[in-house]
Amino acid sequence: AQSVTQLDSHVSVSEGTPVLLRCNYSSSYSPSLFWYVQHPNKGLQLLLKYTSAATLVKGINGFEAEFKKSETSFHLTKPSAHMSDAAEYFCVVSDQSNYQLIWGAGTKLIIKP
Amino acid sequence: DAGITQSPRHKVTETGTPVTLRCHQTENHRYMYWYRQDPGHGLRLIHYSYGVKDTDKGEVSDGYSVSRSKTEDFLLTLESATSSQTSVYFCAIRADRDVSYEQYFGPGTRLTVT
Repeated sequence: AQSVTQLDSHVSVSEGTPVLLRCNYSSSYSPSLFWYVQHPNKGLQLLLKYTSAATLVKGINGFEAEFKKSETSFHLTKPSAHMSDAAEYFCVVSDQSNYQLIWGAGTKLIIKP
Repeated sequence: DAGITQSPRHKVTETGTPVTLRCHQTENHRYMYWYRQDPGHGLRLIHYSYGVKDTDKGEVSDGYSVSRSKTEDFLLTLESATSSQTSVYFCAIRADRDVSYEQYFGPGTRLTVT
């Protein structure tokens, strides 16, 4: 069965420094993987997706994620944090048997001025 | 914008009362989903639908029922609301054209059961 583990419940970085949000997955199949973002009191927005094409995936707002099969990881990065990046980020894997989404518990990104 | 609306956006109700939440889409997608979001749990699937009158249970379906009599509307009903159902509820669709199975979400309904 598929599962997702987000390794940090909170990450705090200073504005202008790099961001790393960690995600490990478990999947019996070649997975589809996603990152969603949720700004405070807002809905959920798709940030980027991996679907077995390029292993380095670029998303909106300067975010990237790299699919590493050997490490079963799909970490989210951004070279330079901006105050507007403060939000909760969810790593998600698609269950290939029924196409349902399996959600991580979320990582809250805090940006210090 | 996937053309998804939810109503009401906020609701406060008393324990034991029935509550119905509505999800409406404008693009006639086949798959629709109801989730609940609670701190520390991410999103958990309640029920989903793969067509008119075709629905199935998700991970946390106890205490909830759904109906889909038209492609564009997916209703979630709490037959007798309990305090444990206080949550934020999100509706989602899966675009039929996509092969990667991502979902697009409505704005959410904040439900408080007192």
